[in-house]
Amino acid sequence: QKEVEQDPGPLSVPEGAIVSLNCTYSNSAFQYFMWYRQYSRKGPELLMYTYSSGNKEDGRFTAQVDKSSKYISLFIRDSQPSDSATYLCAMSADWGSNTGKLIFGQGTTLQVKP
Amino acid sequence: DTGVSQDPRHKITKRGQNVTFRCDPISEHNRLYWYRQTLGQGPEFLTYFQNEAQLEKSRLLSDRFSAERPKGSFSTLEIQRTEQGDSAMYLCASSLEGRVGTQETQYFGPGTRLLVL
Repeated sequence: QKEVEQDPGPLSVPEGAIVSLNCTYSNSAFQYFMWYRQYSRKGPELLMYTYSSGNKEDGRFTAQVDKSSKYISLFIRDSQPSDSATYLCAMSADWGSNTGKLIFGQGTTLQVKP
Repeated sequence: DTGVSQDPRHKITKRGQNVTFRCDPISEHNRLYWYRQTLGQGPEFLTYFQNEAQLEKSRLLSDRFSAERPKGSFSTLEIQRTEQGDSAMYLCASSLEGRVGTQETQYFGPGTRLLVL
């Protein structure tokens, strides 16, 4: 079993829809939770970063972390065709250690249709 | 700030050949990471440098792989005697070390796509 599980999709929604992307994890040591967006044949770019449990909002994006359930979510409101990409969740324990290596989910491919 | 750059962007090689990739991090960043991403999967951690010191290597990094970061600036990843299973996107990321107990932000380069025939 992988440390981080993410449904690969693909997920197809109409423009303007609310999108919900999710990841589950098994390592209770994870403290830092990130969402990256990756366009085809490009490197990942950081969208959202959350420490421990709680919500964080940035424009049309909201990240939620529920450590008790080991479950994180990314919500995209008023989705746009330009949001079509692969969304990767990533996590790190990095608590008192010297490395910030990230453990990624498989990625969910999202297509927003005009 | 030009971001993280990687060279080459694409590499096609024959099985058994050696290949070397280069990563130039964001100039003030002292941490540098290499990840490997295969089709339909998320990136997997390979190795990590803090300045010029290689501090962690994944078990994915077989003896055929070697990475260096001389003078704590650019880094190279070399694969010797390439195999078809090495075909993947090799991603480099850099970050500025945060305070103990905090997670720094990793900025990724565009990757080098390797195809081993």
